Amino acid sequence: DAGVIQSPRHEVTEMGQEVTLRCKPISGHDYLFWYRQTMMRGLELLIYFNNNVPIDDSGMPEDRFSAKMPNASFSTLKIQPSEPRDSAVYFCASRAPDSNYGYTFGSGTRLTVV
Amino acid sequence: AQSVTQLDSQVPVFEEAPVELRCNYSSSVSVYLFWYVQYPNQGLQLLLKYLSGSTLVKGINGFEAEFNKSQTSFHLRKPSVHISDTAEYFCAVGGYQKVTFGTGTKLQVIP
Repeated sequence: DAGVIQSPRHEVTEMGQEVTLRCKPISGHDYLFWYRQTMMRGLELLIYFNNNVPIDDSGMPEDRFSAKMPNASFSTLKIQPSEPRDSAVYFCASRAPDSNYGYTFGSGTRLTVV
Repeated sequence: AQSVTQLDSQVPVFEEAPVELRCNYSSSVSVYLFWYVQYPNQGLQLLLKYLSGSTLVKGINGFEAEFNKSQTSFHLRKPSVHISDTAEYFCAVGGYQKVTFGTGTKLQVIP
């Protein structure tokens, strides 16, 4: 099992540009979570999906952020337009149907908006 | 609602010494409790979890944690740390669907 795969690992973009982060969860996992990690705010849950359906997006900071999960093996987090304060590490995590197993995290995407 | 408080943001400890990382939780429902570790430039990895049963939970890399319901605590311990344990440790509390993470404790092992 390759684990949760995120791409790209690093992204540097200019303010105002659109940024798309990608995640491939572990096969068979039915929950997918997007987190943002910064020094100031720690780990923040942005949104999570169950069986490809968004369940709770209350953590999405503003309308510039959107997330989709078109199928069980792929999710995207899009920021448009990007701003310097969006600079952070974005993690995707997935979870097996039995919540006993905890989360499996990807290696993250380090986003820098200049 | 559920929340987690990690009382120490940084813990320095000498190699081969014991360590305890503190975690207190708050939840209005039955909970699952977790400890995760994050090494530099990596994602979080599950160290151990408490679901039910024995209050002493053993995890990977020689770590263990004790669930104390009366004190609403879930402290992480290791009897002898190694340099390789230098990392950030996150306590987390979860219900059926989502998990809430603490702010993390950076463990610095000093040679």
